[in-house]
Amino acid sequence: KAGVTQTPRYLIKTRGQQVTLSCSPISGHRSVSWYQQTPGQGLQFLFEYFSETQRNKGNFPGRFSGRQFSNSRSEMNVSTLELGDSALYLCASSSLAGSYEQYFGPGTRLTVT
Amino acid sequence: SQQGEEDPQALSIQEGENATMNCSYKTSINNLQWYRQNSGRGLVHLILIRSNEREKHSGRLRVTLDTSKKSSSLLITASRAADTASYFCATDTGRTQGGSEKLVFGKGTKLTVNP
Repeated sequence: KAGVTQTPRYLIKTRGQQVTLSCSPISGHRSVSWYQQTPGQGLQFLFEYFSETQRNKGNFPGRFSGRQFSNSRSEMNVSTLELGDSALYLCASSSLAGSYEQYFGPGTRLTVT
Repeated sequence: SQQGEEDPQALSIQEGENATMNCSYKTSINNLQWYRQNSGRGLVHLILIRSNEREKHSGRLRVTLDTSKKSSSLLITASRAADTASYFCATDTGRTQGGSEKLVFGKGTKLTVNP
C-alpha cells in the first residue's frame, strides 16, 4: 500500500496570507489527524477527522481549520498567517478513530516571513 | 500540554551499546506508543503497549510499562548508527478524562549513535 502523502512538501508564505495543506491517507484508512511540530512546543495535536466529521480538536485558534472529503483525503487551512505558524505540519492516518497506531506522512514545512 | 515526558532529552552512545529512554505520564491511559522520527521527517510507529501489558518486544526493541508509576521505558539493544533519531512516547487521554481519545506526544529524546 502507498503511504501517507502530503502536499506540498515545502511552502513559504507571507504574514497575513492563508495556506491550504493536503493529505492523502493510506488506502482504507478513514481517520486523519493533523499535528503541528515546532522546536519549542514539540508535537501538538490540531484535529482529527473520521468519516468526514471532525472528531476531536486541539487548542488552536479558529484560524486553523480542516475538512475531510468522502475519499478520506483531508485538507487543513490556516488563515491570516503569523510568524509563529512556521512549523512542520504532519498528517497521520489510522484505520480506527482515536488513539490507535498512526501512520505519518513526511510533513509540510511551512515558513512564514 | 504534554501528557508524556521523555527522559533524557538527549542521549549519545557508541554503536553496539544499548540505549534506554524513559517516558513518564500524568493520567490514566488505555495504551502508550513509541514513535521514531528521523530529522525533519514524519514519525514512524515502533510499538504499542496496552495498559494491561507490562512488557513487549519487537526485534531489538523492548518496551516496559509500569502503570503504578505512570512510566514506560524503551530499550534499543545493540544500537546502530541508523538508530540515530528522535524518539517520542505518545499516550491517549483515556476514557476517564472525558471526551474522545487522542494521542498526546512528549517532546522526545534525541538519540545519537556514534559509529
